[in-house]
Amino acid sequence: TQLLEQSPQFLSIQEGENLTVYCNSSSVFSSLQWYRQEPGEGPVLLVTVVTGGEVKKLKRLTFQFGDARKDSSLHITAAQPGDTGLYLCAGASSGGGADGLTFGKGTHLIIQP
Amino acid sequence: DSGVTQTPKHLITATGQRVTLRCSPRSGDLSVYWYQQSLDQGLQFLIQYYNGEERAKGNILERFSAQQFPDLHSELNLSSLELGDSALYFCASSPFMAAASYEQYFGPGTRLTVT
Repeated sequence: TQLLEQSPQFLSIQEGENLTVYCNSSSVFSSLQWYRQEPGEGPVLLVTVVTGGEVKKLKRLTFQFGDARKDSSLHITAAQPGDTGLYLCAGASSGGGADGLTFGKGTHLIIQP
Repeated sequence: DSGVTQTPKHLITATGQRVTLRCSPRSGDLSVYWYQQSLDQGLQFLIQYYNGEERAKGNILERFSAQQFPDLHSELNLSSLELGDSALYFCASSPFMAAASYEQYFGPGTRLTVT
């Protein structure tokens, strides 16, 4: 069974600070996706990383896929209250074929004004 | 708005009952995935359909079943409901068969409460 461990589980910081959340596994994934979910809504895709070592930037968010494609990180620069939400990483199996995503349990992020 | 619709938004029912959740994928998407999200287990993959056929099963109970119709909408049937089935149920759609190939777009979810 493939597992994704996210850390920290909860993070509360002040507006303007930087933060990094992590997504780790002992399994290799073909791709890894990051989602943000707000209460009462479905997850919304932020980014997909596919290549080991890949770095993608989305405004103040920087996503990195580990060289071995087993882990990923999300770094937010100068966090804003609008960044508040549940951040989920999800891995797609490297076995090919049809299957669902394996999700981590998420990082609950609160940015205080 | 992801383009994926789910009905109903909320559902309250009693133990032992049966319910049906409905999902319409984004226009043109052939894959529909069902997920269950609970506080303790997080978001878990239940089952996938691609162009009307079952393609993959995850942690889906035998009391649960799903199908995808010719117009590509999908239904998730939950029977003999138990208190522990209370959760958010999401469907997601994708143009492709393999999760590794492309991102999935999630609907707003159905919140099921079993009393």
